[in-house]
Amino acid sequence: KQEVTQIPAALSVPEGENLVLNCSFTDSAIYNLQWFRQDPGKGLTSLLLIQSSQREQTSGRLNASLDKSSGRSTLYIAASQPGDSATYLCAVIPSGNTGKLIFGQGTTLQVKP
Amino acid sequence: NAGVMQNPRHLVRRRGQEARLRCSPMKGHSHVYWYRQLPEEGLKFMVYLQKENIIDESGMPKERFSAEFPKEGPSILRIQQVVRGDSAAYFCASSPTGTTYNSPLHFGNGTRLTVT
Repeated sequence: KQEVTQIPAALSVPEGENLVLNCSFTDSAIYNLQWFRQDPGKGLTSLLLIQSSQREQTSGRLNASLDKSSGRSTLYIAASQPGDSATYLCAVIPSGNTGKLIFGQGTTLQVKP
Repeated sequence: NAGVMQNPRHLVRRRGQEARLRCSPMKGHSHVYWYRQLPEEGLKFMVYLQKENIIDESGMPKERFSAEFPKEGPSILRIQQVVRGDSAAYFCASSPTGTTYNSPLHFGNGTRLTVT
């Protein structure tokens, strides 16, 4: 059974700091992995999608890496800003699945001005 | 191009009443997924539908919950005889194809159900 874990559960950093969020999954047979952002009381915004054949994806100050063999992904945020404060969710689609995402519990990030 | 639209945003029901949650997918998307986020828990898959078909309902509670995605109109998640444990945020997501290998799911802002 696929399980997704995110560490740390919460993180507080000063503005401008570079930071890394971690995601691990127990079964390496995945279709793809997605990182989402969730603001309080809001829906999910897709940040990056990494296909199983890819090693990383970049969008602006965000870079996500994927190591399938070790069951790990990281989300790197460069030069953090207060507007980055949100909960970041990692989710995988197991191979052969119908598109059903399995989510981690999320990392709640606070960037202090 | 409007995103995934869910309504209502907030819904309050008394125990025993029915709750109906609506989801209009993005234009051109014919695949809809429902997820539930219980307080202090992560998002859990409930059901995956295509137009007029339920593809995967492995995450749906066996009783009181049903979902449909008719040929015309929004997808509906229906909860009969609600109980306090049904209080949660219910999110809908859509995609243009069933396989999301390279196509991310697009989520709505959710419906927050409170059962009193």
